[in-house]
Amino acid sequence: NAGVTQTPKFQVLKTGQSMTLQCAQDMNHEYMSWYRQDPGMGLRLIHYSVGAGITDQGEVPNGYNVSRSTTEDFPLRLLSAAPSQTSVYFCASSYKGGSAEAFFGQGTRLTVV
Amino acid sequence: SQELEQSPQSLIVQEGKNLTINCTSSKTLYGLYWYKQKYGEGLIFLMMLQKGGEEKSHEKITAKLDEKKQQSSLHITASQPSHAGIYLCGADISGNQFYFGTGTSLTVIP
Repeated sequence: NAGVTQTPKFQVLKTGQSMTLQCAQDMNHEYMSWYRQDPGMGLRLIHYSVGAGITDQGEVPNGYNVSRSTTEDFPLRLLSAAPSQTSVYFCASSYKGGSAEAFFGQGTRLTVV
Repeated sequence: SQELEQSPQSLIVQEGKNLTINCTSSKTLYGLYWYKQKYGEGLIFLMMLQKGGEEKSHEKITAKLDEKKQQSSLHITASQPSHAGIYLCGADISGNQFYFGTGTSLTVIP
């Protein structure tokens, strides 16, 4: 069982560059989400999806886009990276939203210079 | 997230000491989860509490959810260096969005 797989693990971007963080799960979970983790701020929800074709904004969605074309994949796109997006990003999936155990990927450490 | 307040932010204890981490919400929680994160790694699920007054234990870690389902505590008995890491509480507050507390960094000195 691979669980939740995030790629890449590390990334350095220049301001203004775009990139996509990949997230895939093999547990047939309907609910997937993206978080960013910053010192003193905990994990904050960026976007989430309750199923293929359905996405919604979380707490800090600005500067990020998502799509959910399949149950397995939930990529996070940074259209024009900014230094404020330097963070550690975690993808999570669960059987259902809210009250269900979430499984987390290992994280992507992103630095925007 | 401001939805969940976690305290303390950091904790340094001598090996063998007991400690408690608190997680408080102003709203009723539909499920309270405790996770542990080792530095530089992903989150590991510890326990889930759903019913008011519920208490669960795993090895030397006990978590409780109060009757009003607005506060939870995580208690570690006889701490060990292996307990070191960041402890996060998480909860469903709005029905579909899962929020996390700010985390508690635990250091255990041998």
